[in-house]
Amino acid sequence: EAGVTQFPSHSVIEKGQTVTLRCDPISGHDNLYWYRRVMGKEIKFLLHFVKESKQDESGMPNNRFLAERTGGTYSTLKVQPAELEDSGVYFCASSQDWARQGNGYTFGSGTRLTVV
Amino acid sequence: LAKTTQPISMDSYEGQEVNITCSHNNIATNDYITWYQQFPSQGPRFIIQGYKTKVTNEVASLFIPADRKSSTLSLPRVSLSDTAVYYCLVVGGATNKLIFGTGTLLAVQP
Repeated sequence: EAGVTQFPSHSVIEKGQTVTLRCDPISGHDNLYWYRRVMGKEIKFLLHFVKESKQDESGMPNNRFLAERTGGTYSTLKVQPAELEDSGVYFCASSQDWARQGNGYTFGSGTRLTVV
Repeated sequence: LAKTTQPISMDSYEGQEVNITCSHNNIATNDYITWYQQFPSQGPRFIIQGYKTKVTNEVASLFIPADRKSSTLSLPRVSLSDTAVYYCLVVGGATNKLIFGTGTLLAVQP
């Protein structure tokens, strides 16, 4: 089966611009997660979708970040306006079930975002 | 979720067995111990998970003592391709967020 796909793999934008990251989960996976690692820091949870609903968005850093998952399939993460500190790698993961023990996640390869 | 502590880095040579130990002193009764592997330019990949005693799969073994306050990931006969960052996570309870620590950078040399 196809894995979790993220677009683009790299993005370089200027401060103040808008960027939209996309994640296509594994088909049939109701749960979709966004994580990110900013420079020198650990991978941090951003939010969790169950189908099209936001189950947990406690990790979203501020209101410049907007995540959507219309129709419960692919998801987008928009950063508007982008700031320098938003640079990092954004990972998407999906799971079929409520992977409470942490063993059911499949991660994408990430989008490397650079804000200059 | 319990915080984990593991070495920042380890070095090994091809063909050796590598053991990475993780401390999780505050692990709760319902928590599972889960290990992920991450190669450069890729997302983390699930390796193994356990609750207690020993778990073995085609990739690794996981040893968990009775008090569950630590765990050891064992990689038999490593190769150059095992060079990666290995994350120990404790997962459970009411949330399924993965909380990543710094991980252990394993460097395998020829």
